[in-house]
Amino acid sequence: DAGVIQSPRHEVTEMGQEVTLRCKPISGHNSLFWYRQTMMRGLELLIYFNNNVPIDDSGMPEDRFSAKMPNASFSTLKIQPSEPRDSAVYFCASSSGLAYSTDTQYFGPGTRLTVL
Amino acid sequence: AQTVTQSQPEMSVQEAETVTLSCTYDTSESDYYLFWYKQPPSRQMILVIRQEAYKQQNATENRFSVNFQKAAKSFSLKISDSQLGDAAMYFCAYRSKSNTGNQFYFGTGTSLTVIP
Repeated sequence: DAGVIQSPRHEVTEMGQEVTLRCKPISGHNSLFWYRQTMMRGLELLIYFNNNVPIDDSGMPEDRFSAKMPNASFSTLKIQPSEPRDSAVYFCASSSGLAYSTDTQYFGPGTRLTVL
Repeated sequence: AQTVTQSQPEMSVQEAETVTLSCTYDTSESDYYLFWYKQPPSRQMILVIRQEAYKQQNATENRFSVNFQKAAKSFSLKISDSQLGDAAMYFCAYRSKSNTGNQFYFGTGTSLTVIP
């Protein structure tokens, strides 16, 4: 299995530009998570989906952030417009999402975003 | 909401020695899962070990073992025969077993340095 795939691995953009991060979960997993990691705030859950439906988006910082999961094999996290304080590493993770299961979350390699 | 606390921001260990990383959590649930993740400089999040709360036996994975004290809500990670490749950030995580969601709660991490 290829694991969770994220693209791009690195993104440098200018303030005000739109940024789109992409994630392909592990095949067969039906839960997908987006995290943001910074030195100041640590690892924060932004949003998670179960069976392509957003379950909890309370971690999304503000309206500039949006996430979609149009099908079981693809998700995007979009920031529009981007700001320097959005600079962070963004992780996507997936799990089988079954209740009463020991299945864990498998993380992608992350996207390092720098907003100038 | 559940909280996970890692009180040691940084730890160091001599190569080949043993080190213990601490983790405590707060929950009103009786059954749940606990995890330790490793994040090396590559930023990839790697599952190290997991424990089901209803199992009294402590989980073990090669040189990694846990000391799970359910009454004290403590879940420490012991690394034996430390190797240079063990140097990383280590995160403790909690996951509910309830049907209401499968969100993980992460601690703030402990940075482990291995001294040659």
